[in-house]
Amino acid sequence: AQSVTQPDIHITVSEGASLELRCNYSYGATPYLFWYVQSPGQGLQLLLKYFSGDTLVQGIKGFEAEFKRSQSSFNLRKPSVHWSDAAEYFCAVEGDSSYKLIFGSGTRLLVRP
Amino acid sequence: NAGVTQTPKFQVLKTGQSMTLQCAQDMNHEYMSWYRQDPGMGLRLIHYSVGAGITDQGEVPNGYNVSRSTTEDFPLRLLSAAPSQTSVYFCASSYKGMNTEAFFGQGTRLTVV
Repeated sequence: AQSVTQPDIHITVSEGASLELRCNYSYGATPYLFWYVQSPGQGLQLLLKYFSGDTLVQGIKGFEAEFKRSQSSFNLRKPSVHWSDAAEYFCAVEGDSSYKLIFGSGTRLLVRP
Repeated sequence: NAGVTQTPKFQVLKTGQSMTLQCAQDMNHEYMSWYRQDPGMGLRLIHYSVGAGITDQGEVPNGYNVSRSTTEDFPLRLLSAAPSQTSVYFCASSYKGMNTEAFFGQGTRLTVV
């Protein structure tokens, strides 16, 4: 069965520092992968997605993610974090049909001034 | 453009009570779904619908009912609330399935006492 692991529950970075959030997935075929962000009190917003092709995917708000099949990973990166990036980030993989997403448990990002 | 609207935002129920969480979208999306979010567990799919008159179960459907009489609305019914249903509930819609961008409501925080 498909699954997603986000090993870091919390991450704290200083404003202006670089960021990498880890995501590992379990999926038999080529996965459809997603990163969503949840700001406090809000619903989830799609940051980026990977279906096929170029393994480096650009998203909104300056985020990017790299698909590495050999490591079963889809890590999210940002070169310079802003205070407004403080939120919870969810990695997700398409489930056994296009109607289901399997979410990781999330990583909460805290940004130090 | 309201997107996905959930009501109410907060609700407290007594064990055994029933209630309906409302979800409406104005984007003419075929696909709608309900997720619950619990600490450390990410989002888990409760029920989903691929169009008016068509619904199916997700990962955690027990204790919940849904119907889809119109494209716009997808209410979630709790038949007899239990403390284990204390959670934050999110409704999502997308044009076709979760491999297209999903739009989430702001959530309903439900407490069952």
